[in-house]
Amino acid sequence: GAGVSQSPRYKVAKRGQDVALRCDPISGHVSLFWYQQALGQGPEFLTYFQNEAQLDKSGLPSDRFFAERPEGSVSTLKIQRTQQEDSAVYLCASSLVPHPSTDTQYFGPGTRLTVL
Amino acid sequence: GENVEQHPSTLSVQEGDSAVIKCTYSDSASNYFPWYKQELGKRPQLIIDIRSNVGEKKDQRIAVTLNKTAKHFSLHITETQPEDSAVYFCAASSNDYKLSFGAGTTVTVRA
Repeated sequence: GAGVSQSPRYKVAKRGQDVALRCDPISGHVSLFWYQQALGQGPEFLTYFQNEAQLDKSGLPSDRFFAERPEGSVSTLKIQRTQQEDSAVYLCASSLVPHPSTDTQYFGPGTRLTVL
Repeated sequence: GENVEQHPSTLSVQEGDSAVIKCTYSDSASNYFPWYKQELGKRPQLIIDIRSNVGEKKDQRIAVTLNKTAKHFSLHITETQPEDSAVYFCAASSNDYKLSFGAGTTVTVRA
């Protein structure tokens, strides 16, 4: 079946521009996660959704980062007034079961954001 | 929060030899430990995971061991093949959803 998909795969933004990154999770998956992966590093947690509810946004680096999942399926990560330090790969993952159960997280291919 | 350390950062092995990657974690409440393989430019893919009620798990050439007392877990790959070349990440979860990842190990299998 179809896995997690993300778009765009690559995004180049000028410093100060706003960007929106999209994630389509696996159909029926309740849980959705966003991670940020800097070059040569492991993914770092940004935020977690259970259906449409954002249960944890403790990893968002600043108030310029905003995520939503209004209908409990597709999610968008928005970054306002991008800065060079925002350059990274943004990974989306989804899993079938909700917290507190632990289930495999399936990752998308990521969006590589480059801020000039 | 959880802190996961991973060693070594790079590992080069001869085809057919074994590879071992070690991780330590800080939060004694962690109870789920997955390992992901990431090829260049590709998505991380789960290769094996272990939960805190199990000490060892094996899947063909891949095995993971967990020592909860010492708070460390390891990935073992036997009979390595060129297609095993990739970056491997360990991770730990203490709250049943947030994964904390290690910095990764770049494995190169020499033919």
